[in-house]
Amino acid sequence: DSGVTQTPKHLITATGQRVTLRCSPRSGDLSVYWYQQSLDQGLQFLIHYYNGEERAKGNILERFSAQQFPDLHSELNLSSLELGDSALYFCASSRSTGANVLTFGAGSRLTVL
Amino acid sequence: QQQVKQSPQSLIVQKGGISIINCAYENTAFDYFPWYQQFPGKGPALLIAIRPDVSEKKEGRFTISFNKSAKQFSLHIMDSQPGDSATYFCAASMLSDYKLSFGAGTTVTVRA
Repeated sequence: DSGVTQTPKHLITATGQRVTLRCSPRSGDLSVYWYQQSLDQGLQFLIHYYNGEERAKGNILERFSAQQFPDLHSELNLSSLELGDSALYFCASSRSTGANVLTFGAGSRLTVL
Repeated sequence: QQQVKQSPQSLIVQKGGISIINCAYENTAFDYFPWYQQFPGKGPALLIAIRPDVSEKKEGRFTISFNKSAKQFSLHIMDSQPGDSATYFCAASMLSDYKLSFGAGTTVTVRA
């Protein structure tokens, strides 16, 4: 157990729907990162939050949004889902703002039918 | 575009053999190069990392070799064991940056 908790582990939904993925970072970690892992794109950085503030955006679609709450847990919202959004979504956390030591959760596998 | 290129895509090695995975990067501003290990159903886990001021770092059976002039780095797994069967990702970033750029991954299979 890495200490980073992600729910749900698996999610199956239909095109056009909206889902929310949840992440609880490791105790004491202030930074949360979201990554998408797909067969064709590999691990792609989506977005980074530090202590509730958005710090950086990567290859995140406009249909996707995220936030980090005062208790430091984070949610990734995916809307108007398309077949191509099917992927593993990982949350990672770290103590500071640098990406040098990331602890990843086990991921949420999203299947869009 | 992919900032870190990783090869091979997969490799099979006999128990006790050496596994070698190579990565190349373009951005000379990168100053942190970690390797992550991922088992099926799990998230990537940090295995070993190197800064460009050293040419080699060893932790147990895992060694990173770094060639700054060639902008290449590699992971050597010595005395490979079946438990090493996993997908390995190289990555690069600036220590001050927020994100890691990952290679495409290498699936290593160690045959007993």
